[in-house]
Amino acid sequence: QVQLVQSGTEVAKPGASVKVSCKASGNTFSGYYIHWVRQAPGQGLEWMGRISPDSGDTHPAQYFQDRVTLTRDTSIHTAYLEVRSLRFDDTALYFCARDQGANNFDLWGQGTLVTVSS
Amino acid sequence: SYGPTQASSVSAAPGRTATITCEGNNIGTKVVNWYQHKSGQAPVLVIYDDSERPSGIPERFSGSNSANTATLTISRVEAGDEADYYCQVSYTRGDLVIFGGGTKLVVL
Repeated sequence: QVQLVQSGTEVAKPGASVKVSCKASGNTFSGYYIHWVRQAPGQGLEWMGRISPDSGDTHPAQYFQDRVTLTRDTSIHTAYLEVRSLRFDDTALYFCARDQGANNFDLWGQGTLVTVSS
Repeated sequence: SYGPTQASSVSAAPGRTATITCEGNNIGTKVVNWYQHKSGQAPVLVIYDDSERPSGIPERFSGSNSANTATLTISRVEAGDEADYYCQVSYTRGDLVIFGGGTKLVVL
């Protein structure tokens, strides 16, 4: 079954870092960009960036480019999102999503809740 | 916010038609996608490339995009359609993806 499976809930302190993983099963990794999207409580969807699993090229959103690192490990079909210098307003549900072409997302991970709390 | 504009909520009775709009300057020259998002679940792509429907999405969902408005139309609304709907615009440089603020569809 084709799916994206994300890592579990994270709780982190302000100023710390968190790394979320997104593992692809089936033929869902090579050839498709992986994007990251988050939703803070009571807010809408917010795009964070994308990575090419094949080349490793990344394109972070301008708002996040100083605090976010996108990486991947092709050997285990997994993409990673690292957010540094966490703030309280980084508390959100983080999703990875597969780009089926032209920046539309036909397959999503189940979401990872990141809570920033002192 | 510099993204496309959506109304905060829209309501429709079962069996009627719901129209959800996404407004932006010359949005008709961009590619627009639509997602259905229910709380606690992953979003679901319901329309891509302005008007294409992914496999498994009912024909009741349709999309259009012209001038300054993209539109998602849901015909014969059902209780299960109640969700937040987000438009998403694609760009080729800068921020590649920008979401609208989302519209909550309330089924009366």
